[in-house]
Amino acid sequence: AQKVTQAQTEISVVEKEDVTLDCVYETRDTTYYLFWYKQPPSGELVFLIRRNSFDEQNEISGRYSWNFQKSTSSFNFTITASQVVDSAVYFCALKRTGANNLFFGTGTRLTVIP
Amino acid sequence: DVKVTQSSRYLVKRTGEKVFLECVQDMDHENMFWYRQDPGLGLRLIYFSYDVKMKEKGDIPEGYSVSREKKERFSLILESASTNQTSMYLCASFRRDRAYGYTFGSGTRLTVV
Repeated sequence: AQKVTQAQTEISVVEKEDVTLDCVYETRDTTYYLFWYKQPPSGELVFLIRRNSFDEQNEISGRYSWNFQKSTSSFNFTITASQVVDSAVYFCALKRTGANNLFFGTGTRLTVIP
Repeated sequence: DVKVTQSSRYLVKRTGEKVFLECVQDMDHENMFWYRQDPGLGLRLIYFSYDVKMKEKGDIPEGYSVSREKKERFSLILESASTNQTSMYLCASFRRDRAYGYTFGSGTRLTVV
């Protein structure tokens, strides 16, 4: 069975602070994909990143970075120097290789206070 | 850019009504999905379709049905709406050779009174 846990329900930070969103997953598969999506107030989920299970290299994209650690089954997301526009709900998700559907975590609502 | 369009942003229906939620994608994706989103529960898969006229149950199919007569359109049907189906409904599509997973619509917030 697949499971994605986002233990942080809500986080509030002051603008320019760094913030890390946690994601822990469970799967018996040896190969899989992990995703992060952002859901702004408009409602549409926006793709942020996909990571293959065999690629543990961390990734940085501007103010965003992702730390994938297979040993702890975690795929954490850090926003550096947060901005008000980062306020959204963030979802972590897991996809089995060969399957089409995504298993989502319950999401973390991030509020960045100006 | 791929677009997934959901016909209604907000919908209010009465208990017992038959409700149709429509979703259209414009990029020839084989796979389409319907999720519902509830606070504290995240996104839960209702149904998905991997081809025209093909459908598979997701995790919470009870009280719902779907229709996919054309590749670009995937409809979610609430046969007899109930108050516990008040929720945000999200449609998504997916093409196997694309790296970014799903493309989502903006969602339909359905209230059943």
